[in-house]
Amino acid sequence: GAGVSQSPSNKVTEKGKDVELRCDPISGHTALYWYRQSLGQGLEFLIYFQGNSAPDKSGLPSDRFSAERTGGSVSTLTIQRTQQEDSAVYLCASSIGTGRYEQYFGPGTRLTVT
Amino acid sequence: KNEVEQSPQNLTAQEGEFITINCSYSVGISALHWLQQHPGGGIVSLFMLSSGKKKHGRLIATINIQEKHSSLHITASHPRDSAVYICAVPLSSGSARQLTFGSGTQLTVLP
Repeated sequence: GAGVSQSPSNKVTEKGKDVELRCDPISGHTALYWYRQSLGQGLEFLIYFQGNSAPDKSGLPSDRFSAERTGGSVSTLTIQRTQQEDSAVYLCASSIGTGRYEQYFGPGTRLTVT
Repeated sequence: KNEVEQSPQNLTAQEGEFITINCSYSVGISALHWLQQHPGGGIVSLFMLSSGKKKHGRLIATINIQEKHSSLHITASHPRDSAVYICAVPLSSGSARQLTFGSGTQLTVLP
């Protein structure tokens, strides 16, 4: 079956613009995660969705970042008023559940803010 | 102290060599992930293990839960193994299990 897909694969935007990044998890996976990898930095957690529960937003770096997951499937990460420091690869992962379940990663969206 | 530490940070090997990458973590976990990231940026999950050893082809991962340590071994290394290898552990936050990542090991295998 299909893996986790993300779109777009690359996005270049001007500082101050809003961007939306999309993640399609593996069908049937109830858990969905967003991570970020800034240039020269390690991966960091942003936000987590599990079923119909309230998302864990503890990793979001500022209130310019938000995410939603509609119908328990597709998720959109929105960055408002982008800044240059938002430039990074944004990765989405999904898993059947939480804890001991393997996370499957998408190919990522490379965001460049000019 | 970082919660997840990897060593070495960089590793250069000749084709055919046996390679070991180490990962230590400071908190109790239920499982540990080994991930591979190629230069294009995409990440592939290699292993998730909670005890003992797992083997996929030339890759072997071991974990010692009591010692909070895991190793990734590559036998008969090949230039196509060149990538960044990352270990990651799920840290609990309420009901969440988001991963905390090591800083990665950049592996270069020379022909």
